[in-house]
Amino acid sequence: GAGVSQSPSNKVTEKGKDVELRCDPISGHTALYWYRQRLGQGLEFLIYFQGNSAPDKSGLPSDRFSAERTGESVSTLTIQRTQQEDSAVYLCASSPDRGLGEQFFGPGTRLTVL
Amino acid sequence: GEDVEQSLFLSVREGDSSVINCTYTDSSSTYLYWYKQEPGAGLQLLTYIFSNMDMKQDQRLTVLLNKKDKHLSLRIADTQTGDSAIYFCAEKGANFGNEKLTFGTGTRLTIIP
Repeated sequence: GAGVSQSPSNKVTEKGKDVELRCDPISGHTALYWYRQRLGQGLEFLIYFQGNSAPDKSGLPSDRFSAERTGESVSTLTIQRTQQEDSAVYLCASSPDRGLGEQFFGPGTRLTVL
Repeated sequence: GEDVEQSLFLSVREGDSSVINCTYTDSSSTYLYWYKQEPGAGLQLLTYIFSNMDMKQDQRLTVLLNKKDKHLSLRIADTQTGDSAIYFCAEKGANFGNEKLTFGTGTRLTIIP
């Protein structure tokens, strides 16, 4: 079956513009996660969805970042007024349930803010 | 908060064993994971260990957990060129609703022919 997909794979934008990053989780997975990976660093947690609700948004770095999930499926991460420090790979993962919670990762969206 | 640390680089000769180490701070961690990231690819879960286990073996992979020292290691036997990648250690806390994973910075494994 299909894995987690993300689009676009690459996005180059100018400072100050808004961007939307999309994640399509594995069908039937109730949990969805967004992480950010800056160059040469590990993954930073951004937000977690259970169904369409986000019980943990603690990793969103500022109010320029927001995310939503609809139909317990696709999720969109929006970054408003992008800054150069937002440049990173944004990774989405989904998981079928809690407990072991194995997270299956998408290939990521590489965002470059000029 | 939780913190996970790894050394950044490891070089190993082809055919030798690789040992990648990780330390973590959250004593309430429930699951500890090893992920592999190859260039241009997403993270792939290699193996995991539950916090009440000391060891887990899966083909060429052996995970050792020292809960007292909060030390986790991944041993890859008979290392091959295809094992070249960045390996991330991650932990998941025990608190209800705390579903996020906390990752280390990753260890880049280089295979020397």
